[in-house]
Amino acid sequence: GQQLNQSPQSMFIQEGEDVSMNCTSSSIFNTWLWYKQDPGEGPVLLIALYKAGELTSNGRLTAQFGITRKDSFLNISASIPSDVGIYFCAGQLVAGGTSYGKLTFGQGTILTVHP
Amino acid sequence: DGGITQSPKYLFRKEGQNVTLSCEQNLNHDAMYWYRQDPGQGLRLIYYSQIVNDFQKGDIAEGYSVSREKKESFPLTVTSAQKNPTAFYLCASRPGQGHQPNYGYTFGSGTRLTVV
Repeated sequence: GQQLNQSPQSMFIQEGEDVSMNCTSSSIFNTWLWYKQDPGEGPVLLIALYKAGELTSNGRLTAQFGITRKDSFLNISASIPSDVGIYFCAGQLVAGGTSYGKLTFGQGTILTVHP
Repeated sequence: DGGITQSPKYLFRKEGQNVTLSCEQNLNHDAMYWYRQDPGQGLRLIYYSQIVNDFQKGDIAEGYSVSREKKESFPLTVTSAQKNPTAFYLCASRPGQGHQPNYGYTFGSGTRLTVV
């Protein structure tokens, strides 16, 4: 099955630094989502994007839905130790029927923040 | 509070045994999903169900089975045919088609299965 290309695979940063990660796909999506997963837990939704070009913020997090509808990025500003975890992008296909609502996930970006 | 409950949190299975993972939601969501997570491979879809009494295979359905007899429940059975079952299993749900806006999936807290 298709997976999104998410990069980087991992990041090691100092507290206070900004972080940027992105996802690209060969398919067009009508929704892009960004999740965070803490160790041993399920992913939690951070930001949802519904329109090409949309730029949305949630506190220190900012995400954008690419104009081509085939990419998205997530920025975290002024990182703190609790930002540690795995960040996943996910795209929802345009098709309806039995494919409706099916999400395709990126491989994840593992973020480590050093105090 | 509404949410998804997965149980047990940790599960140990002997080789050759079948084991069933529980997933229950009280969100009144129509669709439910099972994912497998391995290190470095992200989330891979095993099975999904859009409505009661109906389900479809995902990308890695071999060696797994599901049922959807109730809207609230979507148990996953890992059979002895699954050659490498040790993994972290995640259940998710979402409202049905026509419910807007789409906020994506709500995930459970996962079950870690280990074959011993």
